Amino acid sequence: AQKITQTQPGMFVQEKEAVTLDCTYDTSDPSYGLFWYKQPSSGEMIFLIYQGSYDQQNATEGRYSLNFQKARKSANLVISASQLGDSAMYFCAMREGDRGGADGLTFGKGTHLIIQP
Amino acid sequence: KAGVTQTPRYLIKTRGQQVTLSCSPISGHRSVSWYQQTPGQGLQFLFEYFSETQRNKGNFPGRFSGRQFSNSRSEMNVSTLELGDSALYLCASSRVGLTIRYNEQFFGPGTRLTVL
Repeated sequence: AQKITQTQPGMFVQEKEAVTLDCTYDTSDPSYGLFWYKQPSSGEMIFLIYQGSYDQQNATEGRYSLNFQKARKSANLVISASQLGDSAMYFCAMREGDRGGADGLTFGKGTHLIIQP
Repeated sequence: KAGVTQTPRYLIKTRGQQVTLSCSPISGHRSVSWYQQTPGQGLQFLFEYFSETQRNKGNFPGRFSGRQFSNSRSEMNVSTLELGDSALYLCASSRVGLTIRYNEQFFGPGTRLTVL
C-alpha cells in the first residue's frame, strides 16, 4: 500500500485564487513528520512547510498553510493568493520515527500545479 | 551559508559503463541522503550516510553504492549502467538530532543522468 497518496496529478488554477493540494498518508508509527516540497522545472526540491504528528496547531509559512487532519490521515497544502511563480510540481513527503535522520523521506507521486494569468 | 552542491549537473553515459556522482552538504550537516527520481517510479530513497557509515538503504540493487568522507562529502556510484538508471539523482543533507523537524533535509539541484 502506498504510504503517501496525492490524488491530483495536475491542476490548473487562476492567478490570485487559493489552491488546495491533497495529501493522505498511511503509518502506524505515532511519531512522524510531514513535509511539502516544491520542485520547479530546474529540478531542485524547495522545502515549503512541515507538520509534526504531535503538533497541536496547523503549520503556516507565509502564503502556505497545512490543513492537518490527524484522524483522517490527511495533510493538505493550501496556497493563498496564488502567483505565476507557484507553477511547479508539489510533493508531499513523510518521515516516520525519530531515528536521528537515518530514515529517508517517502514521497507521493506529486501534483503538477499550473497557475494561469 | 552555501547550499547543497552536486556535480556534475548533467551526465550522459552508455549502457554497461559506471558513473560516480558527488555531493557536498551544507556546512555543519553530517547526514547525506540520496534519492532517485524517475517519471515512472517517482522519488525513491537510495541510502543515507552519517559519520562515513551507511545507516539505511532503500530497495535498490547492489549496483548502487555510496560512501561518505570524513568531511561529510558523499559520492554515489552506479556500476553496469542500464537504460532504466536514467534519472535525476538528488542529494540531501541534514543535521542529526533528536527530532524529525531538526533532521529536515535540504536538497541539492540534482544530477541528471542519461543512459544511452
